[in-house]
Amino acid sequence: GQNIDQPTEMTATEGAIVQINCTYQTSGFNGLFWYQQHAGEAPTFLSYNVLDGLEEKGRFSSFLSRSKGYSYLLLKELQMKDSASYLCAVREWGEGKSTFGDGTTLTVKP
Amino acid sequence: DAGVTQSPTHLIKTRGQHVTLRCSPISGHKSVSWYQQVLGQGPQFIFQYYEKEERGRGNFPDRFSARQFPNYSSELNVNALLLGDSALYLCASSLGGEDNQPQHFGDGTRLSIL
Repeated sequence: GQNIDQPTEMTATEGAIVQINCTYQTSGFNGLFWYQQHAGEAPTFLSYNVLDGLEEKGRFSSFLSRSKGYSYLLLKELQMKDSASYLCAVREWGEGKSTFGDGTTLTVKP
Repeated sequence: DAGVTQSPTHLIKTRGQHVTLRCSPISGHKSVSWYQQVLGQGPQFIFQYYEKEERGRGNFPDRFSARQFPNYSSELNVNALLLGDSALYLCASSLGGEDNQPQHFGDGTRLSIL
């Protein structure tokens, strides 16, 4: 099984930078995904990490350390539309599923 | 191109009834997964199907069943509905059966049990 922990809520200011952390425990790690979910909508794919290091995609970056069971999602130049829940999900070898954390609700204030 | 489509969008049922939810994956995607999401929690894995065969099953009772058709669309069936089955049911498709494929979600079916 897997344990995935994320902070429940975070607040940040428009234009700032925010880092959302995710820690996990798994026996056969095979990738970590970040998804964004606006209230009442479906999750949308943001990023994927399987090797250690930083993956950058526009205003969003995601970092992975497999030895520490740790990942973060970095959001730069925050915009009001970035207010959403951010879900961390882990895949295991041979498992046809993603195990999700409960998500971090980010509120961006003017 | 059309994304993952789910039907119906909303559904109200009473305890003891059964329900069938439907999902059409993105064109070319052969893997479909079903998740249950309760308010304030992350999606919980129910099933994955790849090439019409069950590839994974989550910790849900036998009241939950699913299948995948030759055109890769899928149905999720839930029998003997309980109040606790009220949730958003999400379908996600991915290109193949490999574990590192990102999943693309439909807008979900919001199921309410009275």
